[in-house]
Amino acid sequence: SQTIHQWPATLVQPVGSPLSLECTVEGTSNPNLYWYRQAAGRGLQLLFYSVGIGQISSEVPQNLSASRPQDRQFILSSKKLLLSDSGFYLCAWRVGPNEKLFFGSGTQLSVL
Amino acid sequence: QKEVEQNSGPLSVPEGAIASLNCTYSDRVSQSFFWYRQYSGKSPELIMSIYSNGDKEDGRFTAQLNKASQYVSLLIRDSQPSDSATYLCAVQPGNTGKLIFGQGTTLQVKP
Repeated sequence: SQTIHQWPATLVQPVGSPLSLECTVEGTSNPNLYWYRQAAGRGLQLLFYSVGIGQISSEVPQNLSASRPQDRQFILSSKKLLLSDSGFYLCAWRVGPNEKLFFGSGTQLSVL
Repeated sequence: QKEVEQNSGPLSVPEGAIASLNCTYSDRVSQSFFWYRQYSGKSPELIMSIYSNGDKEDGRFTAQLNKASQYVSLLIRDSQPSDSATYLCAVQPGNTGKLIFGQGTTLQVKP
């Protein structure tokens, strides 16, 4: 069966510090991978998605970036965090377009 | 106009009643539609998927899709206090790889 791992569960970072969140999927090949962010009391905002290695689509240009160095690995990064980057970050995967999307457990990021 | 719109609620129903959650979308060529449930502090979990017009039933849940009117709904029969959560509607616009979520509707089921 397929599983998705996302870590850490919580993270507190100072403004201006770098960020690296990692997500890996097991049990499937060439998944579509996604990063979403949910601000407090808000809906899910799509940040990036990838349909293959090295293929990244950015939905909300900002000081975040994403990379997919391996088939089942998706990384969200920032060189300098802003206060507005605080939120609940969710990695998700599916086998292809139109298919069901499954989420990781999420990372609660607080930028202070 | 937002791509996917939901009434934020809260929607309050008594235990045992039918809860009706609605969602409208803007892209006429959207192909896939999903309902997720999210408890506070947790990640969303998939409840239903629907791809063609009409009703789709799974236990106490029924998803309804009307592509001509561009709306999708979720009915929860015999609502339980454990159904209290935020329900998210998700739509895939066109033949793209992205999945867009609505803001979510908070459901409160009162004992």
